[in-house]
Amino acid sequence: ETGVTQTPRHLVMGMTNKKSLKCEQHLGHNAMYWYKQSAKKPLELMFVYNFKEQTENNSVPSRFSPECPNSSHLFLHLHTLQPEDSALYLCASSQQTRTSSGELFFGEGSRLTVL
Amino acid sequence: DAKTTQPPSMDCAEGRAANLPCNHSTISGNEYVYWYRQIHSQGPQYIIHGLKNNETNEMASLIITEDRKSSTLILPHATLRDTAVYYCIVRAPYQGAQKLVFGQGTRLTINP
Repeated sequence: ETGVTQTPRHLVMGMTNKKSLKCEQHLGHNAMYWYKQSAKKPLELMFVYNFKEQTENNSVPSRFSPECPNSSHLFLHLHTLQPEDSALYLCASSQQTRTSSGELFFGEGSRLTVL
Repeated sequence: DAKTTQPPSMDCAEGRAANLPCNHSTISGNEYVYWYRQIHSQGPQYIIHGLKNNETNEMASLIITEDRKSSTLILPHATLRDTAVYYCIVRAPYQGAQKLVFGQGTRLTINP
């Protein structure tokens, strides 16, 4: 139990569906992240939020839309995805202060399959 | 971020020490060395980090060379549950969210 909870753990969707992934952190952290991990590839950073403000969008297609309503919750809205978007989507959080080392705490991931 | 180089795979016998090397020859003076691991189909797990001194916690030890161009993660008594991909990352912490970039890592297999 890392203190970062992702739901759903598994999701199967068609290319025309709209779905959302949810992440909640119970650690009091001020930064949250979305990573994508495709089969046999390294983790790819998608989005970074610091104090609810998006600070990084790593050239992610617009069919992925993040939302951070507060420092504890992060969503990834999915719309008209492609089969190549099938992957493990990982959420992470960290505490960013001038003196913190800012290690990331990850959730267990949401495994997405796009048919 | 400084680039790191790790061997793609390693094997270790259960109960022995597992020593995982990482080269980071272009590391800057304010960059830390972080280690994470990822057990199959789970999220990565933070292990340890350090700047220039050797560090030890309940999971592992981190040995950083004096010139800081390489480091070694040591799992003192490896168990089967330590089988995972281990990532070495160097990054300068700053006020703001950290953009941690993961490479291919080392796939460590602990054999019975």
